[in-house]
Parts: sequence; C-alpha cells; structure tokens
Amino acid sequence: GAVVSQHPSWVICKSGTSVKIECRSLDFQATTMFWYRQFPKQSLMLMATSNEGSKATYEQGVEKDKFLINHASLTLSTLTVTSAHPEDSSFYICSASGLQGGSRLGTGELFFGEGSRLTVL
Amino acid sequence: AQSVTQLGSHVSVSEGALVLLRCNYSSSVPPYLFWYVQYPNQGLQLLLKYTTGATLVKGINGFEAEFKKSETSFHLTKPSAHMSDAAEYFCAVSDRGFQKLVFGTGTRLLVSP
Repeated sequence: GAVVSQHPSWVICKSGTSVKIECRSLDFQATTMFWYRQFPKQSLMLMATSNEGSKATYEQGVEKDKFLINHASLTLSTLTVTSAHPEDSSFYICSASGLQGGSRLGTGELFFGEGSRLTVL
Repeated sequence: AQSVTQLGSHVSVSEGALVLLRCNYSSSVPPYLFWYVQYPNQGLQLLLKYTTGATLVKGINGFEAEFKKSETSFHLTKPSAHMSDAAEYFCAVSDRGFQKLVFGTGTRLLVSP
C-alpha cells in the first residue's frame, strides 16, 4: 500500500504561537506533497505544492510567510502555522505522490494523511 | 482550468436503496477522474479512479462509476446502500501526470435504516 501519516491529529494552541504539523510517507518516497485546508462542511482547498528539496509553490491567496512548508526529505513534509490566530483554525490535510520500489506509485491519485485539526484559542 | 461540480450537497437514501452521486467536470484535456470518501475527522480514501481504458470502473466497497465523455460526467453509484456508507464523498479531476487534484464541493451521503 501507500500510507501517509499525519501528526498531530488534534492540536490546540494559544493565539500568537506557532504550530508544526508533520506529514510522513511510511512506505514510499513522496516526491511531491500537497497541503490542503478544509473548512467545516466544505471542500478541500489546495494551499501549496512541494517537491522534495525545492521551495513550495503556494496557491494564490495563501500567505507563504504564515504557512511555512518544508519538504526536506522524501518521507517528510512539515507545515508550520506561524503566529496562529483563531481564523487559522481548520482541518489541514496532506497528500502525496511518488515512487515505490523505484516505480511511479499509482496512476495519478494522491494518498492522503489522516488530517490534523487545529484550534487556535 | 479544470473544475468539478457535484450536484446536491446532501443525498439521503434508505439502507438497501440505490446510491447515485453526481459529478460533472470541466477539463481542456482528457482528464483523470477520482472519487474519494471522507469519514468524520479523517483524511480521504480513494474509492475509484478513471485514467484510460474501460469507462466503467469498479472501486472498493461495491461502488462503481462511469466516465461519459459526451456528458462530461463521472457519476458514482452503488446498487445497495449500507449504513457504513454514510460519509462525505468528493469527486476530483486532474489533468493527468500526477498533478494537483481539483475537488468538487462534496456530497454528504445519509443512510437511514
């Protein structure tokens, strides 16, 4: 299979603090990772795309200084919400595509983590 | 630019009834199409996908979908609903080649006894 693990599942923080969410590919090399944000009862909004070893590409309207994305290895990407405020409260989901056993994994689908619910007080 | 339209934010069915969730897409190139399911406070799980070949694709949990190019549709069906099918379903499109997915707004499936 292709397993993506996200941590933490839930996080509560005070306004003004920074929060880091980790996304790991457990059994494949994640050459590309995507970070989505989901508001209650809404669809997924793509925030940014990151390729291993490169700077992330942010979607229009997403503050790159607010949402720092690092993809330093083929198995780990992190999303840091800096100086979080209540409006940043949301469900954040990572997904990945890549290689398994040297071959391209799947035929275009993405593999999703379990999601991380951030609540900023 | 690609887009996905899912008709009906909520669909209610009785257990054992046919499930039909509608998805229409817009794409300037032959698309890859996906259906994902999301349970509360969880990530997304792939139900099925269409890339090339047979237009009727079968997925997990008894779901299937048919790619109809002339109608730009990719509706999801299941002959007999089960209580465990209650979840949020998302249709998604990509322009091939492991690019980002564009999601529809989702349809919440409610299954009553």
